[in-house]
Amino acid sequence: KQEVTQIPAALSVPEGENLVLNCSFTDSAIYNLQWFRQDPGKGLTSLLLIQSSQREQTSGRLNASLDKSSGRSTLYIAASQPGDSATYLCAVRLHNTNAGKSTFGDGTTLTVKP
Amino acid sequence: NAGVMQNPRHLVRRRGQEARLRCSPMKGHSHVYWYRQLPEEGLKFMVYLQKENIIDESGMPKERFSAEFPKEGPSILRIQQVVRGDSAAYFCASSPPRRGRLYTGELFFGEGSRLTVL
Repeated sequence: KQEVTQIPAALSVPEGENLVLNCSFTDSAIYNLQWFRQDPGKGLTSLLLIQSSQREQTSGRLNASLDKSSGRSTLYIAASQPGDSATYLCAVRLHNTNAGKSTFGDGTTLTVKP
Repeated sequence: NAGVMQNPRHLVRRRGQEARLRCSPMKGHSHVYWYRQLPEEGLKFMVYLQKENIIDESGMPKERFSAEFPKEGPSILRIQQVVRGDSAAYFCASSPPRRGRLYTGELFFGEGSRLTVL
């Protein structure tokens, strides 16, 4: 059974700081790993998707890396802004033709202070 | 191209009533997933459906919960005889069919339906 852990559970940083969010998973036979952002009372917005054959993906100030052998992914946010305040979730999908579900971590709640 | 549409956004039910939550996947998507998010908790998988088929319902409670994705129309998550513990946000996600090397399995989520049981 895949287990996904996100550390830390909460993080508070001053505006402008670079930061790293961590995601670890127990089963390395993954199909993909997806990072999401969730604002309070809202749905999930997809940020980055990394396929199992890839090592990283970048979008603007965000960079996500994947190390399957160690069961880890990191989300790097450069030059953080107050608008980045949200809960960040990682979701891991196993490499199984029929098991299409993704397993989520409990998230890291980020607060960027002006 | 409209995203994943869920309705109602908010639903209030009294204990013992039925709740029906609807999800229309993105255009061209044939896979639907339902997740539940209890207050202050993470998203937990409930069920994975394709048109007219339940593929994986390993996360569905054994009683009172059911899901369908008919040939025509939205996917429905049905909760019978609701109890206070059913109060949660229910999220639907969709993904396109597996076709070719370009398939990524990316999930696209709706805004969720927030159920409150009085």
